Amino acid sequence: GNSVTQMEGPVTLSEEAFLTINCTYTATGYPSLFWYVQYPGEGLQLLLKATKADDKGSNKGFEATYRKETTSFHLEKGSVQVSDSAVYFCALSSQGAQKLVFGQGTRLTINP
Amino acid sequence: DTGVSQNPRHKITKRGQNVTFRCDPISEHNRLYWYRQTLGQGPEFLTYFQNEAQLEKSRLLSDRFSAERPKGSFSTLEIQRTEQGDSAMYLCASRSIRGAGLEKLFFGSGTQLSVL
Repeated sequence: GNSVTQMEGPVTLSEEAFLTINCTYTATGYPSLFWYVQYPGEGLQLLLKATKADDKGSNKGFEATYRKETTSFHLEKGSVQVSDSAVYFCALSSQGAQKLVFGQGTRLTINP
Repeated sequence: DTGVSQNPRHKITKRGQNVTFRCDPISEHNRLYWYRQTLGQGPEFLTYFQNEAQLEKSRLLSDRFSAERPKGSFSTLEIQRTEQGDSAMYLCASRSIRGAGLEKLFFGSGTQLSVL
């Protein structure tokens, strides 16, 4: 079945550091790929998405590129801020499917 | 638009008791989803509705679980004879079927269930 594997956390960085959170997936066909973020006490929010190979999703300085050859969708940000501290989830949905399959999440803490 | 609302935020119950959670989706969102999130894991799909029709159920939704959306607006998730393994965050999400797909899914803050 479909699955998503994320880099294990927690991840702790200093402000302005470069961030990479790895995500790989297993799926048949051409899934859509997502990154969600969960801030403390809030619901999951979509951060960015990509729907086909080589697409790059971007939002709030975060980027991720859909790599079909490596089945990956790694999240990157060039310079993180304290306000980026949250839990990040990689997810996929198969074509035509109504459900998201999530990775286990990566807790990110940014220190000033 | 007040977002997806879930009640209660927290529920503590004893093993064997029944519990019911409520989800109020964004108005006019005709699709409503339930997910379960255990500690240290990502959310897992449970079921979804289009209006009042329950269109898909996960194998995770055992016979002790039942979800309803009687008038196509709010939804309830009931767990009968709770077990300690039911302890989790129960998340609700909604979206409109018009326009874009799952990228327009909005999540509530969840109901945290603790079974003692």
